[in-house]
Amino acid sequence: GAVVSQHPSWVICKSGTSVKIECRSLDFQATTMFWYRQFPKQSLMLMATSNEGSKATYEQGVEKDKFLINHASLTLSTLTVTSAHPEDSSFYICSAREGWGSHSPLHFGNGTRLTVT
Amino acid sequence: TQLLEQSPQFLSIQEGENLTVYCNSSSVFSSLQWYRQEPGEGPVLLVTVVTGGEVKKLKRLTFQFGDARKDSSLHITAAQPGDTGLYLCAGPRAPGGTSYGKLTFGQGTILTVHP
Repeated sequence: GAVVSQHPSWVICKSGTSVKIECRSLDFQATTMFWYRQFPKQSLMLMATSNEGSKATYEQGVEKDKFLINHASLTLSTLTVTSAHPEDSSFYICSAREGWGSHSPLHFGNGTRLTVT
Repeated sequence: TQLLEQSPQFLSIQEGENLTVYCNSSSVFSSLQWYRQEPGEGPVLLVTVVTGGEVKKLKRLTFQFGDARKDSSLHITAAQPGDTGLYLCAGPRAPGGTSYGKLTFGQGTILTVHP
């Protein structure tokens, strides 16, 4: 089946540094990728929608200058958390939409645990 | 913004018991999905329901989509410790729209099944 690979699976960084998270669709072309954030024992909150070759669309309340999204190809989207702070510590999950159909399947990555110290 | 209200938020039961998780909205959804997520991993799709009144079964799990397509339920029969996890319902963001991948998630139900 279709696989979405997220890397790294976990990362620890110091406050003020930037961290890049990659989301790759391994055996399909992802027309659209989505980035979610999840706090412990809570649900997923959509941060942004990423379309290949165009600017990401951010949800209300998500700082686009802090969470930089690049979708350079149909198989790769990256999320960069700039000048990370402890409150950015969270579980970040991407999903990738396969195809263009109205019910085209979504595939989720395994998430990245970010800890900012 | 469409909202999905999921209940209960926490469920702790003994092995062998039955349980039901509910997902309700005041809005109509073209489809609803149920996911299961384990700690440190991404959500895994269990089922998609698209027709009002639809019932789908996946081994001991039974999923139902309300006739008006505003609610759904997940029923687990004879729960096992391996069923432990976070269960999430989700639906497309566009009101009554088709699934273009942008999902609204319910708050989730943390299920713990004790041996």
